[in-house]
Amino acid sequence: GQNIDQPTEMTATEGAIVQINCTYQTSGFNGLFWYQQHAGEAPTFLSYNVLDGLEEKGRFSSFLSRSKGYSYLLLKELQMKDSASYLCAAMDSNYQLIWGAGTKLIIKP
Amino acid sequence: IAGITQAPTSQILAAGRRMTLRCTQDMRHNAMYWYRQDLGLGLRLIHYSNTAGTTGKGEVPDGYSVSRANTDDFPLTLASAVPSQTSVYFCASSEKVDNNEQFFGPGTRLTVL
Repeated sequence: GQNIDQPTEMTATEGAIVQINCTYQTSGFNGLFWYQQHAGEAPTFLSYNVLDGLEEKGRFSSFLSRSKGYSYLLLKELQMKDSASYLCAAMDSNYQLIWGAGTKLIIKP
Repeated sequence: IAGITQAPTSQILAAGRRMTLRCTQDMRHNAMYWYRQDLGLGLRLIHYSNTAGTTGKGEVPDGYSVSRANTDDFPLTLASAVPSQTSVYFCASSEKVDNNEQFFGPGTRLTVL
């Protein structure tokens, strides 16, 4: 079957670095997406990886290893506004997104 | 309109009633999607449309129907609502089906009593 696993909740300190991991199993693979979702709001796109390696975009970076079925989202210089849920989603062979349940990130001052 | 909109924002509905959730986008995106989001679960795809005039079933289509008469609108209908359909419903769109960022509407919070 198809499955996405990511931690339910993580806590980090303002100014620090945090890494949110995601493992996936899908029927075929057409890329890995990360979205951010603040409480009560819609998900918003953060990153897309289809090739192995690290993609950097400002304070956020995303890594993909296709052979391991593994991705992570790295957030640097954490700010209070980064408190949100981070959703990992893998695109399967039918170009449908399979979503993880999300990782709630709590930032403490 | 800028982006993707949904209506209503929230709704309380008696079981057995019919309800249509509206979704409109002004980005001329070809693909549109309906998801439900429940606590502790990932977003689950209900129905999708790759282009105007076509629709397909997602992971959890039972009890729901959609239509795509034009590019902009993608309504979701619950023919006879049941309490298990209590959820937050998100409509999304993307320029095309493959490898494209999906843009989400603000969501509709539906409670079925």
